[in-house]
Amino acid sequence: DAGVTQSPTHLIKTRGQQVTLRCSPKSGHDTVSWYQQALGQGPQFIFQYYEEEERQRGNFPDRFSGHQFPNYSSELNVNALLLGDSALYLCASSLTLEPFYEQYFGPGTRLTVT
Amino acid sequence: EDQVTQSPEALRLQEGESSSLNCSYTVSGLRGLFWYRQDPGKGPEFLFTLYSAGEEKEKERLKATLTKKESFLHITAPKPEDSATYLCAGNFGNEKLTFGTGTRLTIIP
Repeated sequence: DAGVTQSPTHLIKTRGQQVTLRCSPKSGHDTVSWYQQALGQGPQFIFQYYEEEERQRGNFPDRFSGHQFPNYSSELNVNALLLGDSALYLCASSLTLEPFYEQYFGPGTRLTVT
Repeated sequence: EDQVTQSPEALRLQEGESSSLNCSYTVSGLRGLFWYRQDPGKGPEFLFTLYSAGEEKEKERLKATLTKKESFLHITAPKPEDSATYLCAGNFGNEKLTFGTGTRLTIIP
């Protein structure tokens, strides 16, 4: 049973550039959530996608956008990168019909902005 | 605002020395309390979900319990491979998980 996969593993970008991160959910899951985790902190919710639409959004600026495809995979896009965007970006998948949203995480993408 | 607070921030134990990690949360609206284990540079690994006060779940040397205002993760006779950061998260009726900052556990052989 394939778990949540993310690509790339690591990424280095320059301030002002744009980046796209990718996520494939666990087999059978239909919902994808994205989180940002700064060093020494807990993950912070960015947004969640279900049925190809953004269902809820956390306190992140519009520079952060996403997309979900018909096969439930998802992308996270960040425009106009800032140094503060350096973090581990986590994708989590879940099955909406199950109660209380148990979310399973991928290995993350480590983004470094220089 | 929904909040989850974990203590202590860091804990060092000798191998075999049992202890507990604490997670307190905003009382109103908790739909589920989740525990994860996270190794350095990796994604969180799901451990337990607790739904109602009095509920307990066990997995190997770990046992999670839930009261009306906090949750505990008990570690019995830990081994060095139990060293990790343990994260607690709450679902408060919306689509997201609200995480604490974690407890960094080190087990010394």
